[in-house]
Amino acid sequence: NAGVTQTPKFQVLKTGQSMTLQCAQDMNHNSMYWYRQDPGMGLRLIYYSASEGTTDKGEVPNGYNVSRLNKREFSLRLESAAPSQTSVYFCASSEQQGIEKLFFGSGTQLSVL
Amino acid sequence: QKEVEQDPGPLSVPEGAIVSLNCTYSNSAFQYFMWYRQYSRKGPELLMYTYSSGNKEDGRFTAQVDKSSKYISLFIRDSQPSDSATYLCAMTGWDSNYQLIWGAGTKLIIKP
Repeated sequence: NAGVTQTPKFQVLKTGQSMTLQCAQDMNHNSMYWYRQDPGMGLRLIYYSASEGTTDKGEVPNGYNVSRLNKREFSLRLESAAPSQTSVYFCASSEQQGIEKLFFGSGTQLSVL
Repeated sequence: QKEVEQDPGPLSVPEGAIVSLNCTYSNSAFQYFMWYRQYSRKGPELLMYTYSSGNKEDGRFTAQVDKSSKYISLFIRDSQPSDSATYLCAMTGWDSNYQLIWGAGTKLIIKP
């Protein structure tokens, strides 16, 4: 069972470069999320999509954009990467938005030099 | 001050010991409390889910919520080396729009 698949697993960018993190889930979930995880801090929500066709800002949306391409796929784009965006990024999904069990991908380790 | 506080550890205990992991929080509107386990270089996975106050048991794991003290705990009995991981608490309520607020995680090491 694939669950939530994220690509790439590792990425190094230079300041100002752009990139897109891809996420796909095969559980027919309605809701998808992007989090970042930094040392000493809890997971912080960047953006979420409660259902296909909708996206909303989370706690730390600045510098990011998202696209809910279809029910399966939810991408995160960094238009002009900054060193402050060095982090581990996790995509997650749940059946519905709200108090639901989250299923996470394995993460993308991003370094911005 | 963070909404959810969690000691980062590491907490190192011998195999077979009882482990106690804790989080404190400041928002009295939180009603839903979760514990996620995260192995190195993996995403978190849900371990326990509790609504409001009280205890919940699942095998070797027991989750406790004390809303009056704004304190939650996860107990692991007969700890195993495979329990070595980072444990994240998460919680939410109506005024967070039911989005999870996370603790920073406690790294647990079980020594064989």
